[in-house]
Amino acid sequence: GAVVSQHPSRVICKSGTSVKIECRSLDFQATTMFWYRQFPKQSLMLMATSNEGSKATYEQGVEKDKFLINHASLTLSTLTVTSAHPEDSSFYICSASGRILNQPQHFGDGTRLSIL
Amino acid sequence: DAKTTQPPSMDCAEGRAANLPCNHSTISGNEYVYWYRQIHSQGPQYIIHGLKNNETNEMASLIITEDRKSSTLILPHATLRDTAVYYCIVNKSGGGADGLTFGKGTHLIIQP
Repeated sequence: GAVVSQHPSRVICKSGTSVKIECRSLDFQATTMFWYRQFPKQSLMLMATSNEGSKATYEQGVEKDKFLINHASLTLSTLTVTSAHPEDSSFYICSASGRILNQPQHFGDGTRLSIL
Repeated sequence: DAKTTQPPSMDCAEGRAANLPCNHSTISGNEYVYWYRQIHSQGPQYIIHGLKNNETNEMASLIITEDRKSSTLILPHATLRDTAVYYCIVNKSGGGADGLTFGKGTHLIIQP
């Protein structure tokens, strides 16, 4: 099946640091990638959608200047959390979909971000 | 996307079939039913999806009622590793073009 790799799996850093998370589709071309966030004991919430070569579309309430998304190639998207604060601590998960219609999104294993 | 309703939790004995229900009474004609599961501290794993017909793959079977207002995911021989939160999601794009709306899902606990 389709494989999506996410790196790093866990990050612990100081408040004010910027953190970059990578999401790669390993065996297919991901025309669309999605970024989700999951707080403890809650469900996944969509943050943004990015199509290769174009600007990301952010969900209401998600600050685009704080969560920078780059999708420069068909196999890589990055999420940068700028000037992270403790309230940004969460489980960040990416997913990717390819060109074939009606095929499901495939998810990475997530990145647990802890801001001290 | 249509809203789905699932029981918050279910238990099933190991080796038995696990039947997870989902109501999606407001589903529209071009919306698919998707099932994902999330094992603790991992990303969601795709299980199966369907539009009108029942579907089966190596992981599970999906039974969709004729009026499409509800569906059932069947894990034929549950194992302890099937303990997870199972999400039933309705999505009109076929899964690829739109972000998914996750509800609270069903926490399935497989008992030894």
